Amino acid sequence: GAVVSQHPSWVICKSGTSVKIECRSLDFQATTMFWYRQFPKQSLMLMATSNEGSKATYEQGVEKDKFLINHASLTLSTLTVTSAHPEDSSFYICSAIGDREDIQYFGAGTRLSVL
Amino acid sequence: GESVGLHLPTLSVQEGDNSIINCAYSNSASDYFIWYKQESGKGPQFIIDIRSNMDKRQGQRVTVLLNKTVKHLSLQIAATQPGDSAVYFCAENILGTGRRALTFGSGTRLQVQP
Repeated sequence: GAVVSQHPSWVICKSGTSVKIECRSLDFQATTMFWYRQFPKQSLMLMATSNEGSKATYEQGVEKDKFLINHASLTLSTLTVTSAHPEDSSFYICSAIGDREDIQYFGAGTRLSVL
Repeated sequence: GESVGLHLPTLSVQEGDNSIINCAYSNSASDYFIWYKQESGKGPQFIIDIRSNMDKRQGQRVTVLLNKTVKHLSLQIAATQPGDSAVYFCAENILGTGRRALTFGSGTRLQVQP
């Protein structure tokens, strides 16, 4: 299957700082990437859908100014958590899908801990 | 359907037995279904998918069954191994609408007893 790389896998930051998470499709061109948030023992909650070269589409209730998404190329999308607070601590996962595919391939996830 | 709740249902099986994980979906318009396996601290891993024009699809040691009449999906794992222990999620979508996002089920934890 296709490979999606997510970095970093774990980040600890101080409250008020910003954190950037990268998601890369390594062996295919991802026309669409997705960002999810997952709380312990729960399912994946879609935060936003990002298409290369256009603005991300955010799900209801997700603050677009808080979670900045950039999809500048067909292989890279970034999620920036701005002015992070302890309640932003979570497991963030990206996925990517090619133009002719229906299967979403997921990154390994990033565990964010805000102190 | 949407994920709610704090407690994952758990299926406990003996090593070597067959496992059946079930999923009920809510949208009768959904025509694409996919199963993922998620190990602790990792991202979901694709297992198998099926479109609504099929009612069964087989992979390596796995079979997905789709019953559109009752909106039910199942994942069968043959000869379950300890490495199969994980949380399994079903997901659904409607193809061709332009919305490519999946809707995830709440998940089932599979525990394989040696």
